[in-house]
Amino acid sequence: AQSVAQPEDQVNVAEGNPLTVKCTYSVSGNPYLFWYVQYPNRGLQFLLKYITGDNLVKGSYGFEAEFNKSQTSFHLKKPSALVSDSALYFCAVRANYGGATNKLIFGTGTLLAVQP
Amino acid sequence: NAGVTQTPKFQVLKTGQSMTLQCAQDMNHNSMYWYRQDPGMGLRLIYYSASEGTTDKGEVPNGYNVSRLNKREFSLRLESAAPSQTSVYFCASSGGAHSTDTQYFGPGTRLTVL
Repeated sequence: AQSVAQPEDQVNVAEGNPLTVKCTYSVSGNPYLFWYVQYPNRGLQFLLKYITGDNLVKGSYGFEAEFNKSQTSFHLKKPSALVSDSALYFCAVRANYGGATNKLIFGTGTLLAVQP
Repeated sequence: NAGVTQTPKFQVLKTGQSMTLQCAQDMNHNSMYWYRQDPGMGLRLIYYSASEGTTDKGEVPNGYNVSRLNKREFSLRLESAAPSQTSVYFCASSGGAHSTDTQYFGPGTRLTVL
């Protein structure tokens, strides 16, 4: 079955420290992977995506993600966390149902809390 | 350029009542989607429309209907609301149905069914 797992419900990090939000996936064929961020009472905002090419993808607000095919992972990273990064982060993978479809499967989300 | 807009922002219904959630996008996107977000379950696809004139079921379509009114608008209808439909509903759009297209989300509608 195609799925996305975010193993941590919450990640706590001190401001200025590096952060990692984990994501693993299971999908047939080539994975197309996305990260979104959701601030309180807001919709999801696109951060970055991996389609092909360089395994390190750079996105908005200083975030980056590393695609690791052998570990089927797509972890979100930032070298120095800000309090304003505190939000809910979702990993998503494009579901492969054949044909030209753009259905996404979302993880359950990871709440990032950055302490001052 | 407002992106994806949704109305209403909040709604409270009684069991059995009906309502329609509205969604519009001004990005000239071909594909539109409806998701629901529930605690601990992420987002789940209800229905989607790959292009104007087409709609298809997603992961959790039971109890819902959709209408792709035109290229801009995609509505979600609850014919007879149930407490299990209490959720936050998000509309999204993407340039096309291609798998690499990024989906852009609206601000959401928070629905409570009593």
